[in-house]
Amino acid sequence: DQQVKQNSPSLSVQEGRISILNCDYTNSMFDYFLWYKKYPAEGPTFLISISSIKDKNEDGRFTVFLNKSAKHLSLHIVPSQPGDSAVYFCAASDRGSTLGRLYFGRGTQLTVWP
Amino acid sequence: EAGVAQSPRYKIIEKRQSVAFWCNPISGHATLYWYQQILGQGPKLLIQFQNNGVVDDSQLPKDRFSAERLKGVDSTLKIQPAKLEDSAVYLCASSLEGAGVAEAFFGQGTRLTVV
Repeated sequence: DQQVKQNSPSLSVQEGRISILNCDYTNSMFDYFLWYKKYPAEGPTFLISISSIKDKNEDGRFTVFLNKSAKHLSLHIVPSQPGDSAVYFCAASDRGSTLGRLYFGRGTQLTVWP
Repeated sequence: EAGVAQSPRYKIIEKRQSVAFWCNPISGHATLYWYQQILGQGPKLLIQFQNNGVVDDSQLPKDRFSAERLKGVDSTLKIQPAKLEDSAVYLCASSLEGAGVAEAFFGQGTRLTVV
């Protein structure tokens, strides 16, 4: 039962352009969402998060948008850089009932080419 | 600040053997997690500790997996006996509070291959 879904296993973007990574969730109790980035042979590293009381959070080149009615969030990277090439995981949490347990999507491999 | 330390980095064992993984979380982090990441999938929580107490082990296959957190700091995860489907990367993570409040910091993981 996949409660967090990333339906695009891969995305290829030219350097300088915008990268948009998408994520859908099914559990309406989720109230906190995070994006992690993972390089090969390393553990995931936290990138950005958003609470369900917001619809947008921005941190430098990274912006996360949340559409609660559609149960959809997206990560925008502008401008994309070759160093952004990594696997991006979307994660969600229901802080009220699961003590912050994170549910992860399968990940999207982003490749940024020069 | 030192990150989450895990060992070993790689382990190859035969099915039905036992194996143990070790994790040292970031100093001061009360919450420790063990995740299993099977190739092509996202990390799946196996067990979550708050200090040295278990707060969530609903996804832990308790017939073969066990975990403990000594004195609320280091943790070990054991598999006995291992099955082929246990081949995965085992990630340890820690956070100041539950992951819903503060983000979790991950170690590099232990890649287990069961043959």
